[in-house]
Amino acid sequence: KAGVTQTPRYLIKTRGQQVTLSCSPISGHRSVSWYQQTPGQGLQFLFEYFSETQRNKGNFPGRFSGRQFSNSRSEMNVSTLELGDSALYLCASSPTGVEKLFFGSGTQLSVL
Amino acid sequence: GIQVEQSPPDLILQEGANSTLRCNFSDSVNNLQWFHQNPWGQLINLFYIPSGTKQNGRLSATTVATERYSLLYISSSQTTDSGVYFCAVMYGNNRLAFGKGNQVVVIP
Repeated sequence: KAGVTQTPRYLIKTRGQQVTLSCSPISGHRSVSWYQQTPGQGLQFLFEYFSETQRNKGNFPGRFSGRQFSNSRSEMNVSTLELGDSALYLCASSPTGVEKLFFGSGTQLSVL
Repeated sequence: GIQVEQSPPDLILQEGANSTLRCNFSDSVNNLQWFHQNPWGQLINLFYIPSGTKQNGRLSATTVATERYSLLYISSSQTTDSGVYFCAVMYGNNRLAFGKGNQVVVIP
């Protein structure tokens, strides 16, 4: 079985731009969650989707949004980028959300 | 929110040595998972361990949910064990809260 796939691996953007990150979960997994990792704040939960519905959201501003498609693939979008959005964004999948989580390799976003 | 504390924050080991990493959490949780972050940033799930003891090769983990802690044992450490180990607890609705990690360096 293929693992969790995230694209792109690296992104460089400038302040004010927007960005879309993609995540393909393990086949058969319907829950996809997103996490942000920074040196200062560590790993923080962004949101979780199941069957195209956002079930949970972390404490992030509305500039961070996401969606899930019928094939369980997920995208997250960050609008009006700020320097502080520079981070490693990790996606994880599991069958229903309560089991062992499997993570992708992440997207490293740099905002200049 | 729930607090997750890991100790020690940094650990330097001689190859072949054994070590224990500890994770304390502040409230009841649905489950607990241990991860190893490799140099490329990927989080590898080592254990899904809401309670009890599990072993996987040279690694084993124990969670005592009633006392709100978990331990990760590394035996006969190898240089490939280097990296950051994260404890994460699942609470509320399917969200993980992570500790700050244990940075482990294994010296040949």
